[in-house]
Amino acid sequence: GNSVTQMEGPVTLSEEAFLTINCTYTATGYPSLFWYVQYPGEGLQLLLKATKADDKGSNKGFEATYRKETTSFHLEKGSVQVSDSAVYFCALPRDRYGGSQGNLIFGKGTKLSVKP
Amino acid sequence: DTGVSQNPRHKITKRGQNVTFRCDPISEHNRLYWYRQTLGQGPEFLTYFQNEAQLEKSRLLSDRFSAERPKGSFSTLEIQRTEQGDSAMYLCASSLAVDEQYFGPGTRLTVT
Repeated sequence: GNSVTQMEGPVTLSEEAFLTINCTYTATGYPSLFWYVQYPGEGLQLLLKATKADDKGSNKGFEATYRKETTSFHLEKGSVQVSDSAVYFCALPRDRYGGSQGNLIFGKGTKLSVKP
Repeated sequence: DTGVSQNPRHKITKRGQNVTFRCDPISEHNRLYWYRQTLGQGPEFLTYFQNEAQLEKSRLLSDRFSAERPKGSFSTLEIQRTEQGDSAMYLCASSLAVDEQYFGPGTRLTVT
């Protein structure tokens, strides 16, 4: 089955700093890739996704590019805000048949704290 | 679109008791998933429904766990004879497409 490895945190940044959270994967074929965000006390929210190689997903100033050469899907944001403080999860379908079940596997999560 | 809802949000129970959680998916979504999340970890898949049919169960879903989705709408997850190791956040997600799952706020279970 597929797997995902995510940079572990915590990550602490000052407001307006540049953010990178690394995510690499192993997969059969080219599954969709996702970043989810979890704010304190809440469930997960889909932040962005990419469905094929070289696609760039973007939302709320966050971006991630599906790189098949390096099997990576790193999350970036040019200028973080205090409100971005949350836990970020990289995810992909569990196996190549994810198209039929869609069960996701998640990285362990990276906790981001942004200081004013 | 009111999103995925879960009830209760928090449940404290004594070891050995049974608990039941409910998930109401987004109305037009035919796929429903249950995940479990422990502290400091990402969610782990438990089970999956397409309409009312339970199509897959994880090895994590022991015999004490049972899930239903009787009319293809809401779903329930029951844990019998709870153990302290069952303490976790139980997340429900729904989807229409094969990817892009929408998660509820979760039910946090504490077994004392």
